[in-house]
Amino acid sequence: GAVVSQHPSWVICKSGTSVKIECRSLDFQATTMFWYRQFPKQSLMLMATSNEGSKATYEQGVEKDKFLINHASLTLSTLTVTSAHPEDSSFYICSADPSGIYEQYFGPGTRLTVT
Amino acid sequence: SQQGEEDPQALSIQEGENATMNCSYKTSINNLQWYRQNSGRGLVHLILIRSNEREKHSGRLRVTLDTSKKSSSLLITASRAADTASYFCATDEAAGNKLTFGGGTRVLVKP
Repeated sequence: GAVVSQHPSWVICKSGTSVKIECRSLDFQATTMFWYRQFPKQSLMLMATSNEGSKATYEQGVEKDKFLINHASLTLSTLTVTSAHPEDSSFYICSADPSGIYEQYFGPGTRLTVT
Repeated sequence: SQQGEEDPQALSIQEGENATMNCSYKTSINNLQWYRQNSGRGLVHLILIRSNEREKHSGRLRVTLDTSKKSSSLLITASRAADTASYFCATDEAAGNKLTFGGGTRVLVKP
């Protein structure tokens, strides 16, 4: 149990275009999901906390107008990278928190390459 | 700066040897967790230790937590080539359940 999926697993897009990444909790409901970014050989950096039915909370330095987060249901959160640039190329990982338990379950990640 | 700092950054050992890595953090925590990440993949949860616990075991894994020193260690005993991965500690700050990750330790287990 406690499986989190991400789609797509990898995506290549042209500079200036937008890309949407989906994060789904497959066998549990999650009122809270988290989005992280990981550059090569570095650790995960929390970008934002996504709460079902309300606005996401962004970490300092993360542009909310560039990284749009929508948590429309208890099993789905989406991250849209708008007007992507090569410096947005990274590994994006989501996690889901099955409320009340402090163990987050992580998705397999999405590798974004912006050319 | 990150909450957790890990030491060493990289570790290379022979199969069968033990691997020890350490994590230090700065603020009060609810829990500390260890995760494994194979190259280019997602994170796998290994073990969670609560702030009122001092030691925890899971299979070949042993985790200690010293809240007075704000540090934790992860020991992998009798390592295997399949243990080759990056290992991250993550702290859950007392004020909420956001995870803050350490810099990670890259472990290479040579067969």
